[in-house]
Amino acid sequence: DGGITQSPKYLFRKEGQNVTLSCEQNLNHDAMYWYRQDPGQGLRLIYYSQIVNDFQKGDIAEGYSVSREKKESFPLTVTSAQKNPTAFYLCASSIPQGIMNTEAFFGQGTRLTVV
Amino acid sequence: AQTVTQSQPEMSVQEAETVTLSCTYDTSESDYYLFWYKQPPSRQMILVIRQEAYKQQNATENRFSVNFQKAAKSFSLKISDSQLGDAAMYFCAYRLYGQNFVFGPGTRLSVLP
Repeated sequence: DGGITQSPKYLFRKEGQNVTLSCEQNLNHDAMYWYRQDPGQGLRLIYYSQIVNDFQKGDIAEGYSVSREKKESFPLTVTSAQKNPTAFYLCASSIPQGIMNTEAFFGQGTRLTVV
Repeated sequence: AQTVTQSQPEMSVQEAETVTLSCTYDTSESDYYLFWYKQPPSRQMILVIRQEAYKQQNATENRFSVNFQKAAKSFSLKISDSQLGDAAMYFCAYRLYGQNFVFGPGTRLSVLP
């Protein structure tokens, strides 16, 4: 079955460490996104990529970095510069433009906790 | 910048009753898409329904339907015959053609037995 896989589901990090969240999709989608969700709040865009080897900052990119070397993969690194990284992270993908199937497909999320 | 507003942080409904969740958005564009997503306690985001702005007919998916008022920039979700499994956070989202998604802050729906 096609879908988006995020790993791990739960992640613990010590302060001052970088950590990378994995996101893989086999939907053949060009566009991929990373969102942050804090308790009781909506989704805030961190980074997005419309095509391989290209990505843009979203609304809250500070302290995060991404790469898009393959169409299927869009890993997110939470760096030590991110002051408050404890949150739920969602990865999504979509067709960048077109009439059909324009919705975003989401992974199951990664819960990151800084200890 | 495009914004999406959900004015009801929390709603509740009796099982088998009908509830309507509100959503308004701000855009100067004419071609766009609107979505409602459901996030249950598992936190998996699930598409409930979508609407293309160029279509005048309101979208329907089983017990879920929308009231799309383009001139008023309103996109409400109606859930009929509410079930316990409908309890979740519901997010309204807007997408300009070929652009990113903009999500509202969400409405938490409780279903009372």
